[in-house]
Amino acid sequence: GAGVSQSPSNKVTEKGKDVELRCDPISGHTALYWYRQRLGQGLEFLIYFQGNSAPDKSGLPSDRFSAERTGESVSTLTIQRTQQEDSAVYLCASSLVGGTGEDSPLHFGNGTRLTVT
Amino acid sequence: AQTVTQSQPEMSVQEAETVTLSCTYDTSESDYYLFWYKQPPSRQMILVIRQEAYKQQNATENRFSVNFQKAAKSFSLKISDSQLGDAAMYFCAVLIDGFFGNEKLTFGTGTRLTIIP
Repeated sequence: GAGVSQSPSNKVTEKGKDVELRCDPISGHTALYWYRQRLGQGLEFLIYFQGNSAPDKSGLPSDRFSAERTGESVSTLTIQRTQQEDSAVYLCASSLVGGTGEDSPLHFGNGTRLTVT
Repeated sequence: AQTVTQSQPEMSVQEAETVTLSCTYDTSESDYYLFWYKQPPSRQMILVIRQEAYKQQNATENRFSVNFQKAAKSFSLKISDSQLGDAAMYFCAVLIDGFFGNEKLTFGTGTRLTIIP
């Protein structure tokens, strides 16, 4: 079956522009996660959705970042007025119900590489 | 807050040989989960192996095994009979409270593994 799909694969944008990154999770997965991976770093948690609700937005780095999820499916991460420090790979993951992963492991997409010039 | 340290930015191993990637972590919690993820050039994070802290027995998955030393807060990954397809970035991660959906999943900075034919 299809895995987690992210688009675009790569995005180059000018400083100050807004960008939208899309994530299509595996069908039926209720939990969806966004992570940021800066060059040479591990993954940094951004936000988590259970269904269409985001119980934890604590990882969003600033109010320029927002995310939504509709239909318990597609999620969009929006970055407004992009800055050079926003350059990173943005990874999306989904899992069946969330949790420790024994019965519901995280499935990751291939990420969107964002470059802000 | 917890921290994860991978002190080897790069490692290389001859094909068919064995290599060990080190990881240490720091947490005040007694109950947690440890993971090794593999990230090939496709950028997709792939779960390699998982260990529950309450289990004394080291986890194994085919050619992959861990040496979990809870008192020392050490969680190394051993790859036996290395194959060219094992070449990737490897990330160690710790999950507190058994819930992916918040900042309690913490990653190390990764080790780039090269396989020499």
